[in-house]
Amino acid sequence: EPEVTQTPSHQVTQMGQEVILRCVPISNHLYFYWYRQILGQKVEFLVSFYNNEISEKSEIFDDQFSVERPDGSNFTLKIRSTKLEDSAMYFCASSERLATGELFFGEGSRLTVL
Amino acid sequence: SQQGEEDPQALSIQEGENATMNCSYKTSINNLQWYRQNSGRGLVHLILIRSNEREKHSGRLRVTLDTSKKSSSLLITASRAADTASYFCATAPIIFSGGYNKLIFGAGTRLAVHP
Repeated sequence: EPEVTQTPSHQVTQMGQEVILRCVPISNHLYFYWYRQILGQKVEFLVSFYNNEISEKSEIFDDQFSVERPDGSNFTLKIRSTKLEDSAMYFCASSERLATGELFFGEGSRLTVL
Repeated sequence: SQQGEEDPQALSIQEGENATMNCSYKTSINNLQWYRQNSGRGLVHLILIRSNEREKHSGRLRVTLDTSKKSSSLLITASRAADTASYFCATAPIIFSGGYNKLIFGAGTRLAVHP
């Protein structure tokens, strides 16, 4: 069964460092998303991406964040200068068609900022 | 604004009992979805109900949607220990085109089913 894969599963970094989280969405999907979940809390929308551009982003997705689909298969989230409060589980998701709506999530990348 | 607020926050039941979780939201939606998350894992889609639907079934799951009250419920019948997980409702706020481009998740209900 097709699945969304994310790497790394866990990354520990020092505050101020740049982090890139990688995702390989399901191959025929056209819509891509990043969400984050601080431990035990709600799943927060960060950004949606379609046709090589951002469709919508949340207030959390400030200038420190960027997304890219560099090669037609990978979908990356970059945090330029990490803060302690960026520590969270980051989930990538993809969907085939906007109208059908079901999102397929990866297993997440746990980011720990020290 | 908050969307997709679930209650209760936590629910503890015995195997065989039914579990009901509720979700309220604030804006007009294209659809509402329920997801499940096992501890530390990714979210798994359970069921989607469109704004023009009132009830939907999938196996032991039953979802209702009341757009006039902006609320939904998820019923899991004959629960099993393996149903232990967090359950999230997610709403798709309508954008200008009538579609939507994100899902907004609530804080979830933690369900514990005891053998």
